Amino acid sequence: QKEVEQDPGPLSVPEGAIVSLNCTYSNSAFQYFMWYRQYSRKGPELLMYTYSSGNKEDGRFTAQVDKSSKYISLFIRDSQPSDSATYLCAMSDNYGQNFVFGPGTRLSVLP
Amino acid sequence: DGGITQSPKYLFRKEGQNVTLSCEQNLNHDAMYWYRQDPGQGLRLIYYSQIVNDFQKGDIAEGYSVSREKKESFPLTVTSAQKNPTAFYLCASSEAGDTQYFGPGTRLTVL
Repeated sequence: QKEVEQDPGPLSVPEGAIVSLNCTYSNSAFQYFMWYRQYSRKGPELLMYTYSSGNKEDGRFTAQVDKSSKYISLFIRDSQPSDSATYLCAMSDNYGQNFVFGPGTRLSVLP
Repeated sequence: DGGITQSPKYLFRKEGQNVTLSCEQNLNHDAMYWYRQDPGQGLRLIYYSQIVNDFQKGDIAEGYSVSREKKESFPLTVTSAQKNPTAFYLCASSEAGDTQYFGPGTRLTVL
């Protein structure tokens, strides 16, 4: 079993849809959870950063962490064509020694 | 303007040549990382450094070498021993134990 699982997609949605992106993980020591957005041929940029369980909202983006289920989600409301990118989840333990990325989900938002 | 810079953006290598990819950060971060990303694939860790004059192998270090003589610089050399070096190379940095921030990447192609 891989340490972090993420559906690679591609996921295609119409403009304005609510998008749900998910990752599951196996290491219960993970405490920090991140979502990155990567446009084609660019470096990943940090979107959301959460610690432990709970929700965090930033504009159209909401990150959720359920540590009991070892499951994290990123919701995008009112999706736009400019949201078309690959979304990578990432997580690390309390000491930042074990930093792991998911393989990424490719999202296309169609106008 | 704080951030991470990588150069060159595109690099071409002939068979049997060593090439060096540059990574510089002015974020005053202690830790720096090198990743390789192949088309449709996730990030794979090549080397990382938590402190000046110290670095550790990642998952795919064979055929690569690094140095960390200055806090702000972490160059990666792709040696002729790396049999399949064509890929997108990403440099990242972080404050110890905190999230990682990425540079724009270098695309290396072997001719």
